[in-house]
Amino acid sequence: AQSVTQLDSQVPVFEEAPVELRCNYSSSVSVYLFWYVQYPNQGLQLLLKYLSGSTLVKGINGFEAEFNKSQTSFHLRKPSVHISDTAEYFCAVTRASRAAGNKLTFGGGTRVLVKP
Amino acid sequence: EAGVTQFPSHSVIEKGQTVTLRCDPISGHDNLYWYRRVMGKEIKFLLHFVKESKQDESGMPNNRFLAERTGGTYSTLKVQPAELEDSGVYFCASSSSPQRQSSYEQYFGPGTRLTVT
Repeated sequence: AQSVTQLDSQVPVFEEAPVELRCNYSSSVSVYLFWYVQYPNQGLQLLLKYLSGSTLVKGINGFEAEFNKSQTSFHLRKPSVHISDTAEYFCAVTRASRAAGNKLTFGGGTRVLVKP
Repeated sequence: EAGVTQFPSHSVIEKGQTVTLRCDPISGHDNLYWYRRVMGKEIKFLLHFVKESKQDESGMPNNRFLAERTGGTYSTLKVQPAELEDSGVYFCASSSSPQRQSSYEQYFGPGTRLTVT
């Protein structure tokens, strides 16, 4: 079984400042990692994913995340946020085995509020 | 290409009543998932269909929940009878054939907010 911990439930940040959202996971097997974003009144949208290869992953809207296997982390960063980045962000993992199905295990979410 | 759609967007029912949620996945997606987020908690997996077959229903909370996917297209999730603790947002997601690498990318619908009073 897997578990995901998002260390911050809320992150207030000023416009044009950098932001980092922390995500740690626990798993006895190899996993794939994802970050999803939910804008107000919308569904979840995939920001980026790590399946294999380079541990630095770039996603949409200027976000990037770094997979650190030794620290079992997958922190999300953006160097300069916009008001439109106000949303809730979810870190998720799935077992890296297609035979096992691809159900996602989510963290509790981090609400980002960008202030002008 | 249309995304994942869910109906209704909101539903308010009384305890003991029945509610049916519907999900239309992206056309051609064999995988269909149901998830639920209870207020203040994390999003949790309910079940997974591959075409019309239930691949994994380990997350279904109890036998008051019944999911179907007739013909491998749209899916319904029925709650009967509804209890107060069933309130939350129910998300549906779909992904392509398990044989494809992209099957790991799940596309989510906007969710159905269910309130049981």
